[in-house]
Amino acid sequence: GDSVTQMEGPVTLSEEAFLTINCTYTATGYPSLFWYVQYPGEGLQLLLKATKADDKGSNKGFEATYRKETTSFHLEKGSVQVSDSAVYFCALSERDYGQNFVFGPGTRLSVLP
Amino acid sequence: NAGVTQTPKFQVLKTGQSMTLQCAQDMNHEYMSWYRQDPGMGLRLIHYSVGAGITDQGEVPNGYNVSRSTTEDFPLRLLSAAPSQTSVYFCASSYGIMDEQYFGPGTRLTVT
Repeated sequence: GDSVTQMEGPVTLSEEAFLTINCTYTATGYPSLFWYVQYPGEGLQLLLKATKADDKGSNKGFEATYRKETTSFHLEKGSVQVSDSAVYFCALSERDYGQNFVFGPGTRLSVLP
Repeated sequence: NAGVTQTPKFQVLKTGQSMTLQCAQDMNHEYMSWYRQDPGMGLRLIHYSVGAGITDQGEVPNGYNVSRSTTEDFPLRLLSAAPSQTSVYFCASSYGIMDEQYFGPGTRLTVT
């Protein structure tokens, strides 16, 4: 079945550092790809998405590009802030499957001042 | 527009008790789902619904029941609570089956 793999956390960075969180996926068809963020004590919020190959999703300084050839959707931000500390989930959805939304295990990011 | 709401926020049950977690959305979304989140395991799908009157099982359905009598509401019932059901439960909804999901704030359940 479909699956999403993310880099193991936790990731600890200093403020203004560059962030990359790797995400790769396995799917039989043509999925849509998402990054969600979960702040402490809250539900998940959509951060960005991409629906076809070479699409770039972006929001709040975060970016990710849908790479079909490498089945990847890595999350990047050029300069992280303390307020970016959260858990980040990569996810995919695919129309042909009943359990259509598959989440990765999440990567916890801590940004130190 | 309240989005997705869940009640209660916190709940403590004794083993064997039953209860219902409530979920409602006011976005006229057809697709709704329930997840549980456990440390180190990400989110796992319990049950989902593609519209009123239609539900199906997800990855971890045992011990849970759902029904969808209206578009807005999607309650999750624990039939006989067990300590293994201690978790944080999230309800989510989306316009279509491939669209981004909107999550509620979660219910933290402890079973003793």
